[in-house]
Amino acid sequence: DTGVSQDPRHKITKRGQNVTFRCDPISEHNRLYWYRQTLGQGPEFLTYFQNEAQLEKSRLLSDRFSAERPKGSFSTLEIQRTEQGDSAMYLCASSLANSHYGYTFGSGTRLTVV
Amino acid sequence: AQKVTQAQTEISVVEKEDVTLDCVYETRDTTYYLFWYKQPPSGELVFLIRRNSFDEQNEISGRYSWNFQKSTSSFNFTITASQVVDSAVYFCALSEAQSGTYKYIFGTGTRLKVLA
Repeated sequence: DTGVSQDPRHKITKRGQNVTFRCDPISEHNRLYWYRQTLGQGPEFLTYFQNEAQLEKSRLLSDRFSAERPKGSFSTLEIQRTEQGDSAMYLCASSLANSHYGYTFGSGTRLTVV
Repeated sequence: AQKVTQAQTEISVVEKEDVTLDCVYETRDTTYYLFWYKQPPSGELVFLIRRNSFDEQNEISGRYSWNFQKSTSSFNFTITASQVVDSAVYFCALSEAQSGTYKYIFGTGTRLKVLA
């Protein structure tokens, strides 16, 4: 297992376009998290899944954002009608349920909205 | 409310100097976890250490050491004999057990520059 994979690494899109990011967690990890990190800030929690169930969403996750994790494996994060304020690094992480040993993070997808 | 404060925005040291990165946290939960992560220029967050609220023992791992003090709500990180490869942004994070989410509250990070 090579860790948490995120695709693409970089995405440049025009304002108003839709974008979708993919995260492949470590295979035996049943928890999956999405975070957003803007320049000069720490990552902020967006949402998390336990298996295929999305159990919590942050208020940061507006109606234009949707995340899925079909079959409890990979996850996608879609942003509709992108805005310049959506420009950020989107980080995915996975862990075992009830594990307090910390997450494994992916390398992130850097989104630039022009 | 939960909060993590890393007051040092950027620190520059010369190689082989010791450096301490400060982290102060706020939580009402009695069971919580504290973490340090390193973020090199590549962007990936690399796990360094985890501490639970019931374990105040300090820890040393090679050149890294951590000082957890509940009385001052601090979890500071010291790098001894710093090296250029230590240059990165370091984040402290808090995770509360009560919610069951184990989501992290991150500080704003400290950028460490180690000069040769």
